[in-house]
Amino acid sequence: AQSVAQPEDQVNVAEGNPLTVKCTYSVSGNPYLFWYVQYPNRGLQFLLKYITGDNLVKGSYGFEAEFNKSQTSFHLKKPSALVSDSALYFCAVRVSGSARQLTFGSGTQLTVLP
Amino acid sequence: EAQVTQNPRYLITVTGKKLTVTCSQNMNHEYMSWYRQDPGLGLRQIYYSMNVEVTDKGDVPEGYKVSRKEKRNFPLILESPSPNQTSLYFCASSLSFGRTGANTGELFFGEGSRLTVL
Repeated sequence: AQSVAQPEDQVNVAEGNPLTVKCTYSVSGNPYLFWYVQYPNRGLQFLLKYITGDNLVKGSYGFEAEFNKSQTSFHLKKPSALVSDSALYFCAVRVSGSARQLTFGSGTQLTVLP
Repeated sequence: EAQVTQNPRYLITVTGKKLTVTCSQNMNHEYMSWYRQDPGLGLRQIYYSMNVEVTDKGDVPEGYKVSRKEKRNFPLILESPSPNQTSLYFCASSLSFGRTGANTGELFFGEGSRLTVL
């Protein structure tokens, strides 16, 4: 079975400060990891993914994520938060070479305070 | 413009009254899927389709039906809705989900359909 945990329901950060949204996963095999963002009253949008290669992955809107195999984590980061980054963030995982579908975490609400 | 279109966006209905939520994509994607989003539970997959006439159950298929007669359309059918199906529903598509290689299955989502069953 595969699973994703987002341990924080809510993350608050001041504008201009760095932000981190945490994600840990559990799979049997090599993971494909994704981050999606959901703005109010909108569908989810793809942010970035880790498939293989460099552990630091860069994505849209200045976000990046670091894959850590030993800690089975894929935390989302941004050096300087914007108020417009306030949204609901979802981590997702699937196993490479498998037809099994994506499993999503429960989501983390990020609020960037002006 | 590449997009996934869901209709209706909002619907209030009563228990037992059959309804269909339509989903259409214009990207020639093989893979399509339905999710429901509930507070604290994230997104849970209802049904998915790897291609025309190929559908399979996700994690929470009870009370739902789907069909995939054409590549672009993947309607979600609630034959006899109940209040526990009150939720926010998302349709998503991807080019060729499930294969190894270059495509790794990023999903394109519709805007969502908020359903209330009284």
